[in-house]
Amino acid sequence: QTVVTQEPSFSVSPGGTVTLTCGLSSGSVSTNYFPSWYQQTPGQAPRTLIYSTNTRSSGVPDRFSGSILGNKAALTITGARADDESDYYCMLYMGSGILVFGGGTKLTVL
Amino acid sequence: QLQLQESGPGLVKPSETLSLTCTVSGDSISSNSYYWGWIRQPPGKGLEWIGSINYSGSTYYNPSLKNRVTIYVDTSKNQFSLKLRSVTAADTAVYYCARQGLTIFRGVTSWGQGTLVTVST
Repeated sequence: QTVVTQEPSFSVSPGGTVTLTCGLSSGSVSTNYFPSWYQQTPGQAPRTLIYSTNTRSSGVPDRFSGSILGNKAALTITGARADDESDYYCMLYMGSGILVFGGGTKLTVL
Repeated sequence: QLQLQESGPGLVKPSETLSLTCTVSGDSISSNSYYWGWIRQPPGKGLEWIGSINYSGSTYYNPSLKNRVTIYVDTSKNQFSLKLRSVTAADTAVYYCARQGLTIFRGVTSWGQGTLVTVST
């Protein structure tokens, strides 16, 4: 069974740029996996950031961008702020109507 | 403005059936072709997609849960529901209902606030 992989944790300095990735235990992520990205702070429901690789959800600032980098999907945050400190999840479409979340990345801004 | 509200028992006994309903306001389940889904999150862990349905009743389920899950729509009440049979402690989680896109692969566009369901005697 293919697993969706994410970095368990990452840190970024305020004002800095960070790229989080979403890969597969076997194979490469492409646009055909329609990667989407979600932000979640403790005790809150997730918030949708990006869908279909690089389309920002309504109201999401352009500091957040999605792409394919090499064999992985990527979420880049520029000008990191303290309130970007959250858990970030990617989700991939695996075909045949099946969706799979990655394990999430805990982002620290310090 | 779209709102999704989960409702159902917060405590379920092992081996019984977990039943949750999502009431949709600000949109009509039957007026378009959006997918509507359920996602859960065990305490301190990550998100897990459970399954999705559209207004016509087409369903997709997580293969790991498929044998225990049923999702159905009640267009007259503008609700969709989740039933998870033979629950164990591993099914303890916050359960979110969500609106997805016009296609199953579009991802989630809107989330409910979530409801905690504990499986315990």
